[in-house]
Amino acid sequence: QQQVKQSPQSLIVQKGGISIINCAYENTAFDYFPWYQQFPGKGPALLIAIRPDVSEKKEGRFTISFNKSAKQFSLHIMDSQPGDSATYFCAATPDDYKLSFGAGTTVTVRA
Amino acid sequence: GAGVSQSPSNKVTEKGKDVELRCDPISGHTALYWYRQSLGQGLEFLIYFQGNSAPDKSGLPSDRFSAERTGGSVSTLTIQRTQQEDSAVYLCASSPLRAVPGRLFFGQGTRLTVV
Repeated sequence: QQQVKQSPQSLIVQKGGISIINCAYENTAFDYFPWYQQFPGKGPALLIAIRPDVSEKKEGRFTISFNKSAKQFSLHIMDSQPGDSATYFCAATPDDYKLSFGAGTTVTVRA
Repeated sequence: GAGVSQSPSNKVTEKGKDVELRCDPISGHTALYWYRQSLGQGLEFLIYFQGNSAPDKSGLPSDRFSAERTGGSVSTLTIQRTQQEDSAVYLCASSPLRAVPGRLFFGQGTRLTVV
């Protein structure tokens, strides 16, 4: 049973467009929500993270939006570039060692 | 090395054989994790080490799976009598003692194929 549900499974966006990935969770004990980026043949790497006391966090072209009441959060990639083509995983943890990951979204940015 | 190192990168084994997967964490990282990545399934937690102790083995799928860590460093994940459903990418990660929760440093993984 997946504790974090992620959608879509894949998406294609034109260069310069906006990529949006959505995640939902049920466990109200989750207190920290990181996003990981994975390139083919590599391990996932932390991209950006948010705590539920903040509704939005922005780092460069990457923004997390968080809706605590709806138990949903999303990643927006603004001005998408071909180098952003990767698989993105949302995750959640009750502020300890164990991460629950979403199933992943493969993003393809077409030049 | 600077990052988490896993070996081998790829392993093809026959059903029923035992396999050992190795992880060298980042030097000084006290926490070590094993995750399994199956196609379309995301990352599945297997086991967590703090030093040489494994306070959480709850993710190991069956008693065919075991892991150990020695010297607070290298870890080995062993799968006995491999089955086809064990085919996946096995990822190791490490983190420092007082890390930001959820801040894991992953290796490149070992792709295991059971034929």
